[in-house]
Amino acid sequence: DAGVIQSPRHEVTEMGQEVTLRCKPISGHNSLFWYRQTMMRGLELLIYFNNNVPIDDSGMPEDRFSAKMPNASFSTLKIQPSEPRDSAVYFCASSLAPHQIANEQFFGPGTRLTVL
Amino acid sequence: KNEVEQSPQNLTAQEGEFITINCSYSVGISALHWLQQHPGGGIVSLFMLSSGKKKHGRLIATINIQEKHSSLHITASHPRDSAVYICAALSYSGGGADGLTFGKGTHLIIQP
Repeated sequence: DAGVIQSPRHEVTEMGQEVTLRCKPISGHNSLFWYRQTMMRGLELLIYFNNNVPIDDSGMPEDRFSAKMPNASFSTLKIQPSEPRDSAVYFCASSLAPHQIANEQFFGPGTRLTVL
Repeated sequence: KNEVEQSPQNLTAQEGEFITINCSYSVGISALHWLQQHPGGGIVSLFMLSSGKKKHGRLIATINIQEKHSSLHITASHPRDSAVYICAALSYSGGGADGLTFGKGTHLIIQP
């Protein structure tokens, strides 16, 4: 199995631009998580999906952030418009869980986002 | 919101030493997750536990629900154990997730 796949691995953009991060979970996993990691705040859960449905998006910082999961094998996290304070590493993780997040999660390699 | 504290923040030890990393949380939880983040940035799930103790190789995780405390131990530490270790507390309310709160991490360096 290829594990969780994220793209791009690195993204540099200018303030105000739209940024789209992509994630392909492990085949057969039915829960998907988006995290953000910064030096100041550490790891934070942004949103998670179960069976393609958003379950908890209370961690999404602002309306500028949106996430979708159109099918079981693909999810996107979009920031529009981007701001320098959005610079962070964004991780996607997946797990096999019926309806909760208390199962082992497998993390992707992360996308390092820099907003100038 | 749960407050998760890890100690120490930084730890440097010699190869072979027994290592203990602590994690305390303020609100009762249903489970606690230990993660390892390698120097390259990759994150690996080590343990998910809700009671007692779990062991995997040289790693041991324990949790005391009453004291709201968990520890991660590394026996016979090796330079390849050098990483950031992060604990995360999972809270539940009515079957859904109240949230997942992360500690700031413990930066461990094992010197040969």
